[in-house]
Parts: sequence; structure tokens; C-alpha cells
Amino acid sequence: AQRVTQPEKLLSVFKGAPVELKCNYSYSGSPELFWYVQYSRQRLQLLLRHISRESIKGFTADLNKGETSFHLKKPFAQEEDSAMYYCALSNQAGTALIFGKGTTLSVSS
Amino acid sequence: EAGVAQSPRYKIIEKRQSVAFWCNPISGHATLYWYQQILGQGPKLLIQFQNNGVVDDSQLPKDRFSAERLKGVDSTLKIQPAKLEDSAVYLCASSLNLGLAGLQETQYFGPGTRLLVL
Repeated sequence: AQRVTQPEKLLSVFKGAPVELKCNYSYSGSPELFWYVQYSRQRLQLLLRHISRESIKGFTADLNKGETSFHLKKPFAQEEDSAMYYCALSNQAGTALIFGKGTTLSVSS
Repeated sequence: EAGVAQSPRYKIIEKRQSVAFWCNPISGHATLYWYQQILGQGPKLLIQFQNNGVVDDSQLPKDRFSAERLKGVDSTLKIQPAKLEDSAVYLCASSLNLGLAGLQETQYFGPGTRLLVL
């Protein structure tokens, strides 16, 4: 079965510290992987997708097919990064996303 | 551009009552999704429309949930009768199309409707 696992419910770091939000998936084919973010009182929005291979707000994520992982990283966390982060998988174009349970990132000064 | 609109934002009902949610997607978006997000979980697909046709309703509890998108634009999701376990946030999302280039189109989410069943 297709599944997305985010092992951490909460990740607390200090401002300026590195951040890594973990995401593992189970899927036998070639999925598309995404990170969505929900800031306080805002709607869920796309942060980045693996095929874009770009850095958004300082965040990057590399798809590791061998380890079936898509961890989200940022070298220096900012307070405005505090939010709920969801890893999601799409098994083919046009299908719905399969979400993990989410990780709350809390960045304090 | 205007985002995905949903109403109501909050709803409290008693079990066995019925409730309906409305969604207006981004103009021109052919694909519309309804997700259910239970507290502590990620969103889970209930039903997906392409224009006014159903693409995937495999996870929709059809004995109590129904959804329609008659004119291929806005959509309604209904629960009748509601159960306690239906308490959740119901999210509507839309995307431009089915990802015709072989790539997943970005899904844009509405603010959600928070349902509490007592």
C-alpha cells in the first residue's frame, strides 16, 4: 500500500539551527513527492516538489529512491518557518495526494 | 487570482443530523478534490472530480456521504446522517487539469470547513 510516514510529530529548534523534517514513503513505482506547509491561520499550500529541484524559502528536499525518503532541510531556521509541514505523494499525474500525518516545526529565539 | 472558496467555515451539528458543505474552485480549474482531515492526521481524499465527472470516489463512505459538481464548477459535499467520527476539517482543493504533461498539477486548497458532531 502507498504510504507516507513522518516520524516526528513535533520538532523544536532554535533560530539559526539546522532543520531536517523527515519523510519516508512506500511505493513501488516512481512517485512524485511534495512538501506542503500550513502557517498559522492560513491554508495549506505547496512548498516544493521534488521534480523542481529548487530551493524555496531556503528549504530543499532531495528524493532518495534507495532509502525511499524525501527529507526537508534548511541550514538556518527562522522564526517565520514555524508551521505544520506535510509530506505528500502522488503515484501518477492527476491523482489525489497521499499525505503524511504532518510535523509541527517550532522555531524559537 | 482568487483562491478556492469554502463555506461555511465552521459547523456544529448533532449526530444523525445532515450537513452540506460548498466549494468554489479557482476559475478555470477542471479538477476538484474533497479531502477529510481528522485531528492529528493528514488530509485523506474523499472524492475527485474532473469537470462534472467523478474520477475517484473509492474512499467515500457512500452510505452517508454524497458529493456533486453538476455544472463542472462549484461542488457540494453532504453527510447524512452524521456520526461522531465525521468530526473533521473538510478541505476542498482544485487544480488546473489532470496533469496532461505527465506531471502532477499543483493543488490549491481552500480554508476548510471545520465540522463538529456532538
